Amino acid sequence: KNQVEQSPQSLIILEGKNCTLQCNYTVSPFSNLRWYKQDTGRGPVSLTIMTFSENTKSNGRYTATLDADTKQSSLHITASQLSDSASYICVVIPGGVPLVFGKGTRLSVIA
Amino acid sequence: EAGVAQSPRYKIIEKRQSVAFWCNPISGHATLYWYQQILGQGPKLLIQFQNNGVVDDSQLPKDRFSAERLKGVDSTLKIQPAKLEDSAVYLCASSLESVGGSYEQYFGPGTRLTVT
Repeated sequence: KNQVEQSPQSLIILEGKNCTLQCNYTVSPFSNLRWYKQDTGRGPVSLTIMTFSENTKSNGRYTATLDADTKQSSLHITASQLSDSASYICVVIPGGVPLVFGKGTRLSVIA
Repeated sequence: EAGVAQSPRYKIIEKRQSVAFWCNPISGHATLYWYQQILGQGPKLLIQFQNNGVVDDSQLPKDRFSAERLKGVDSTLKIQPAKLEDSAVYLCASSLESVGGSYEQYFGPGTRLTVT
């Protein structure tokens, strides 16, 4: 069964600190993997898109890594800001529909 | 470029009532998706349209949910009759194409439905 597991479920960090969110998947075949940021009351917004041949992709203070052999991905946030408080959702595209969504990690950045 | 528009943003109804949601995708996007997102969960695909044809509706509870995309642009999602477990955010998304899922999906702000 195609599944995406994310950890931790929730995380609280101090402003300015770094954090890493994890995503493990069992989706096959694999086309690409995306990380989305979802602010409260808003729709998800794409942060990064990675194909199986890409190991790292950055978008400002966000850096995603992918290990297609172990089927793991991580999202690293550097120098966190209050505006980073949101849910971060890992999505795996199996080369067809539907996309497989994780449940998300709820990040709270506090001053 | 205007984003995906949805209305209403919020809706409260009693169980067994009917409700309809509207979505206007990004101009030129052939593919439109409706997702259900229950609190604390990731979005779950309900139905996908390619132009005005249905590509996937395998997870749509067809006894109470229906959706249409007349003329291949705007779409409506209807629930009749609603149940308590239908309380969720209903997200609409659109993309240029759906080949292999490789095209970026752009999400609307969602409609938060509360069934009492």
